[in-house]
Amino acid sequence: AQTVTQSQPEMSVQEAETVTLSCTYDTSESDYYLFWYKQPPSRQMILVIRQEAYKQQNATENRFSVNFQKAAKSFSLKISDSQLGDAAMYFCAYSTYYGGSQGNLIFGKGTKLSVKP
Amino acid sequence: NAGVTQTPKFRILKIGQSMTLQCTQDMNHNYMYWYRQDPGMGLKLIYYSVGAGITDKGEVPNGYNVSRSTTEDFPLRLELAAPSQTSVYFCASSLRDSKDSPLHFGNGTRLTVT
Repeated sequence: AQTVTQSQPEMSVQEAETVTLSCTYDTSESDYYLFWYKQPPSRQMILVIRQEAYKQQNATENRFSVNFQKAAKSFSLKISDSQLGDAAMYFCAYSTYYGGSQGNLIFGKGTKLSVKP
Repeated sequence: NAGVTQTPKFRILKIGQSMTLQCTQDMNHNYMYWYRQDPGMGLKLIYYSVGAGITDKGEVPNGYNVSRSTTEDFPLRLELAAPSQTSVYFCASSLRDSKDSPLHFGNGTRLTVT
């Protein structure tokens, strides 16, 4: 069975600094998708970034980038120039099928990120 | 531009009571999903639907039922509420099951069963 592990329950970063959130996963599949979701106190789930396993190039979305190491089954999220609005719970998720109609999104337990002014 | 709308936002139930969590989307999405989020955990899939009239179980379906009579609506039914069903429930939708079709989430319903 696929599992997703986030080993950092909480992280803290100074405003304008860079922080990296860790995620590891376990799967026997070769084709899958990985995601980072942000959940602010409003509870809304917001897609931050996604990575397709067959792509070697790391995904980037503005200040957010990932370090995808397929052999190591590692998928970390780097937030550059951290802003106060980045404070939230961050969830790493795995899916064999994007959206999850055949499989489903397997979530980690989350990392709570605090941003200090 | 409403997106995915869930009602109610909060609800307290007594053990054994029944209720329906409503979910509607106005984006004409084919795929809809129900997830639950327990305290300190990520989301787990309860049920999903790939179109009107078609539903299937996810990872944690016990104690729940769903129906999909229209493209827009995907209600989740709890027949005999139990304390183990205390959770935050999220509805989501996507246009297709493809990499170019991201999940759109509602704002969640916080349910407490006492």
